Amino acid sequence: ETGVTQTPRHLVMGMTNKKSLKCEQHLGHNAMYWYKQSAKKPLELMFVYSLEERVENNSVPSRFSPECPNSSHLFLHLHTLQPEDSALYLCASSQDIGPQPYGYTFGSGTRLTVV
Amino acid sequence: RKEVEQDPGPFNVPEGATVAFNCTYSNSASQSFFWYRQDCRKEPKLLMSVYSSGNEDGRFTAQLNRASQYISLLIRDSKLSDSATYLCVVNMDSGAGSYQLTFGKGTKLSVIP
Repeated sequence: ETGVTQTPRHLVMGMTNKKSLKCEQHLGHNAMYWYKQSAKKPLELMFVYSLEERVENNSVPSRFSPECPNSSHLFLHLHTLQPEDSALYLCASSQDIGPQPYGYTFGSGTRLTVV
Repeated sequence: RKEVEQDPGPFNVPEGATVAFNCTYSNSASQSFFWYRQDCRKEPKLLMSVYSSGNEDGRFTAQLNRASQYISLLIRDSKLSDSATYLCVVNMDSGAGSYQLTFGKGTKLSVIP
């Protein structure tokens, strides 16, 4: 496989469930990101990891818990979510976290619906 | 003031038309600039980077004006397959020792037969 792979593609969960989103990158990049995309809003950065260490947490509620066991894998653990958390969750990777000229590569996203 | 501002559109243009999108950004210390394309219910994909000298990739031309903090994208000879949302993206120093991409809301383009 190449690029950035996310699973599952679609997820429906109840507010009391616990689920995890998975992201894997095959690009040899050192930085990985979680973004949230809600309807009619710009992409919102949630978490940034560089070499498996979290470098930013943009005031995300604690019901979202990231995990980065190595530079190729990133998880987003979900628990007691709210209906307003329904959105497209995108994983991305980049060579590093500097001012690089090459942008990020995104996975295809997980479309999450909280019922 | 929003960090990256774009006209949301939609822009409805006939095939073969030339269309231009504009974007402004608020952080003068921004280092890298991009246009991404996002199709309906898909992930954003990098269309092209943007440089001060201007750059062209086939029918697409991107321009950056650092003094005005303004970015543009010109699409010539529009095709039906160009229909998508175009995202203006700026790589900004977050102040925490790392840079992050900041996205505009996107401009929706529909090319009509």
